[in-house]
Amino acid sequence: NAGVTQTPKFQVLKTGQSMTLQCAQDMNHNSMYWYRQDPGMGLRLIYYSASEGTTDKGEVPNGYNVSRLNKREFSLRLESAAPSQTSVYFCASRVGVEKLFFGSGTQLSVL
Amino acid sequence: GIQVEQSPPDLILQEGANSTLRCNFSDSVNNLQWFHQNPWGQLINLFYIPSGTKQNGRLSATTVATERYSLLYISSSQTTDSGVYFCAWTNQGGKLIFGQGTELSVKP
Repeated sequence: NAGVTQTPKFQVLKTGQSMTLQCAQDMNHNSMYWYRQDPGMGLRLIYYSASEGTTDKGEVPNGYNVSRLNKREFSLRLESAAPSQTSVYFCASRVGVEKLFFGSGTQLSVL
Repeated sequence: GIQVEQSPPDLILQEGANSTLRCNFSDSVNNLQWFHQNPWGQLINLFYIPSGTKQNGRLSATTVATERYSLLYISSSQTTDSGVYFCAWTNQGGKLIFGQGTELSVKP
């Protein structure tokens, strides 16, 4: 039982490049989330998906897109990366509004 | 939008001391969770506490939903308690918003 798996763990991009962060969970959770964490800013919600087939904007959605591919997978895409998107990204999942489980994070640097 | 405010922002304790961390939220809550982020960045769920009080070893948490706050108590602190503590508010729609965290440092 792997829990929440994020890939890649580290990534360096040049400004303007695109990439997709992958997230998969094997706990049959219906809700999935993407957060970014910056120093002194806590965790800020980018997008979330309360159930398969639905996605909603969080606090800081600009510059990102998401896809809930199926119940297990929720990907985050940066179409044209900017230095302001340098951050640590966390994926999380849970059943309904219950206990939240996090992945180990992706460190992204945009040069 | 919803405001989730934590206090204090920083806390330094001597090993063995007790502390109370506070989380205030500006809207009615469906659920409230507390997390610990260790120095390696790993986020661990401590409590899932929509209301009332729960205890787990040296840690306990209380949420008073009607007054829109939650408290995390750490007793007999240890150096391994160091890290950042976050509270997170959830509404009925599943949106989950974090506070900015309390950074705790426990000195030996």
